[in-house]
Amino acid sequence: GAVVSQHPSRVICKSGTSVKIECRSLDFQATTMFWYRQFPKKSLMLMATSNEGSKATYEQGVEKDKFLINHASLTLSTLTVTSAHPEDSSFYICSARRSQGQHLNTEAFFGQGTRLTVV
Amino acid sequence: QKEVEQDPGPLSVPEGAIVSLNCTYSNSAFQYFMWYRQYSRKGPELLMYTYSSGNKEDGRFTAQVDKSSKYISLFIRDSQPSDSATYLCAMSAGGNNRLAFGKGNQVVVIP
Repeated sequence: GAVVSQHPSRVICKSGTSVKIECRSLDFQATTMFWYRQFPKKSLMLMATSNEGSKATYEQGVEKDKFLINHASLTLSTLTVTSAHPEDSSFYICSARRSQGQHLNTEAFFGQGTRLTVV
Repeated sequence: QKEVEQDPGPLSVPEGAIVSLNCTYSNSAFQYFMWYRQYSRKGPELLMYTYSSGNKEDGRFTAQVDKSSKYISLFIRDSQPSDSATYLCAMSAGGNNRLAFGKGNQVVVIP
């Protein structure tokens, strides 16, 4: 299967600081990447859809000024949690879908996830 | 009614038993069905991918889709302790449509 690399796997930061999480598709191009948040024993909650070269599409209730998404290339999307607070502590996961010309494959491949702890 | 329903478990089985997992859904537009395995503190890993109705087998894993009943299943034969994980079902109408996920079902295989 395709490989999606997410970095860092774990980060601890102080309240009020910003944290950047990277998501890379290593062996395929991904015009679309997705960012999820997962709470313990809960399913994945889609936060936003990241489109290469354009603005991200955020889900209802997700603050776009707090969760900044940049998709600068076909293989890299970043999520920056700005002015982090303890309630932002969570498991963040990215996923990417392969693009072949105009066809977007349905299978999604996930990164390893980032455990964010804000103290 | 939620778009995708999945019993979160946990489900405990002895080693060697058959594990049976399922999801129901309400959106008749769903055409693509996936099962993911997620180990603790890791991202989900794609296990099975099925288009439309029917069965698909891959080693010890079998995925079934019954679109008429809006019901999908995953079977794990000869379960191993290494199969202990959370299994998420996911589905999509295809194209640029998002994936809809179940809550995930925690499975524990006891040696």
